[in-house]
Amino acid sequence: EPEVTQTPSHQVTQMGQEVILRCVPISNHLYFYWYRQILGQKVEFLVSFYNNEISEKSEIFDDQFSVERPDGSNFTLKIRSTKLEDSAMYFCASDSGSLILSGNTIYFGEGSWLTVV
Amino acid sequence: AQTVTQSQPEMSVQEAETVTLSCTYDTSESDYYLFWYKQPPSRQMILVIRQEAYKQQNATENRFSVNFQKAAKSFSLKISDSQLGDAAMYFCGLNPVGGSQGNLIFGKGTKLSVKP
Repeated sequence: EPEVTQTPSHQVTQMGQEVILRCVPISNHLYFYWYRQILGQKVEFLVSFYNNEISEKSEIFDDQFSVERPDGSNFTLKIRSTKLEDSAMYFCASDSGSLILSGNTIYFGEGSWLTVV
Repeated sequence: AQTVTQSQPEMSVQEAETVTLSCTYDTSESDYYLFWYKQPPSRQMILVIRQEAYKQQNATENRFSVNFQKAAKSFSLKISDSQLGDAAMYFCGLNPVGGSQGNLIFGKGTKLSVKP
């Protein structure tokens, strides 16, 4: 079964450093997302991306964050100048955009655990 | 504002028994999808079951079924014949059809323990 893949699975970074989290969404999907889960808390929406541009972003997704689809398969989340509070699991997700095919079902990757020290 | 509430932070069930996890939600959208995701200790988010709000029939997936009460805005998950592998965090989620694509709203989760 097709799946969303993410790298790295775990990254430790120094406060103030830039981090890039990578994702390969399911190949025929059109919508891509990043979600965040701080330890012990619920999963929160960060941003959605469609047709090579951001379609929606939450208030969490400030100027520190950016997303990019550099080629036909990868989808990245860049965090500039990381802060301690950015420590979280970051989930990439995708969906086909077809109510008929997948009924708004969003498929998640296994997550990238970011630790900022 | 759209919200999802899971009132049970933790639940416990004996292996082979049945357990029901509660979820209520609030939305102004007329059509939407509801989901249950499972998050085992590996922390991967795994889709368990989904329900289209316009369908009156409750969704079922093997041992997992839902009790969808649209008027009451309730969407509970029933796990039958519980297995040790069902132990996980369960998140209820809401995705409005007419709303923002992909802005899936989750509850705070219910931690399910399965006792052998």
